[in-house]
This record gives sequence, C-alpha cells and structure tokens, in this order.
Amino acid sequence: EAGVAQSPRYKIIEKRQSVAFWCNPISGHATLYWYQQILGQGPKLLIQFQNNGVVDDSQLPKDRFSAERLKGVDSTLKIQPAKLEDSAVYLCASSPGRLGTSFVNEQFFGPGTRLTVL
Amino acid sequence: GIQVEQSPPDLILQEGANSTLRCNFSDSVNNLQWFHQNPWGQLINLFYIPSGTKQNGRLSATTVATERYSLLYISSSQTTDSGVYFCAVDSDKNAGGTSYGKLTFGQGTILTVHP
Repeated sequence: EAGVAQSPRYKIIEKRQSVAFWCNPISGHATLYWYQQILGQGPKLLIQFQNNGVVDDSQLPKDRFSAERLKGVDSTLKIQPAKLEDSAVYLCASSPGRLGTSFVNEQFFGPGTRLTVL
Repeated sequence: GIQVEQSPPDLILQEGANSTLRCNFSDSVNNLQWFHQNPWGQLINLFYIPSGTKQNGRLSATTVATERYSLLYISSSQTTDSGVYFCAVDSDKNAGGTSYGKLTFGQGTILTVHP
C-alpha cells in the first residue's frame, strides 16, 4: 500500500513570494491533515479535511495561508505572501476516518516539504 | 487545550541499553500515538495505543488512560533507534461524541544511541 505522497520535498523562496505544496493521501482515507513543524518543536495542526469539507481550520493563518481538497482526494496548501517565520516543515497526514460504525483516526504522515524563506 | 509533556527531553545511550520514555497528558484522550522521527524528518508510526499494552519487536508501549500517561520501552537499543520520539494525543470531540482526530504533539525526546 502506497503511503502519503508530498511534493516538493524542498523549497527555497524569498519573503513575500508565494508557494504551494501538494499532498496525495493514502488511497481510501477520508481525513486529511496539514501540520506545520518548526525546528525543535512537535508538529502543529493547520487544517483538517473530512472528505472535501473543512473540519478544523482554527489554527490556519487565513490572511496568508489557504488550503483546498477538491474531489476529496488530493490537497494543496498555499502561502501568499510568505514571511520569514513560515520557514518550517509542512507535513501532510491522512487517516481512514469512518470504517463501518466506528472512526479510525490513526494518522499516517508523508515525508514533508521543507520550506526556507529568505 | 490539552497539554502533552514528554520526558526526558534528551537521552543518550550505549548500544544494547534499555530505556523508558514517558508521556503525560492533562485531559482524557480518545487516542494516543507514538512516532519516531528519523534524521530525514519522516514520522514513522510506532504505536496507536489509546489504552493497554502493545509490543512490536524490541519496542513496547503502555497507556494508562485513567492516570493520563503513556510509556514507550525500547530494549536492546541500536544506533538506528536514534532520532526524536513524539507522543501525540487526540482529545477533541464534537457534540455527538465523535473524535475529530486532531493530534496534539509533545515536544519530543531526542534519543542518541552510540555504538
């Protein structure tokens, strides 16, 4: 079974530029998450999708960050314009969601995109 | 929100030694996961363990949900065990009592195993 795919793996941009990250979750997983991991810290949730609907975006800086999950499969996360403090690893994760009458929320992570803003 | 504390923050071992990592959390949880983040940044699933005990090779984990802690045991450590170990908990529920699934991570334990 293929894991969570992310691209690009690395990105270097100047501040005020735009950047987009792509995620393809594990096949059949209904729930998709974007996390931000700053060096030396644990990942922090930015946004969570259930199929193509947003469940939680309370920690997403909406003045500069946006995300979408069209058709309930792939997702893109965009930053426009980027700031120096956005330098971090952006991790995508997915979980099965509802299986029969229960929810399975074990999350599986992709390799991440390391963003450097200069 | 829920607080997740991991200890110790750093751990240095000789190959072959055993170790115990601890995760304390401040509220009841729906689920708990342990991850190993390797030097390339990949988060590798170790255990999905909201309660009870599980074992996988040299690793085992125990979660005592009523006392709000989880332990990760590493036996006969190897250099490839080096990296950061994260505990993460899912504590949110909607009005219907269903878990949202959002994970809150601890700060991690940095493990270094020397040959």
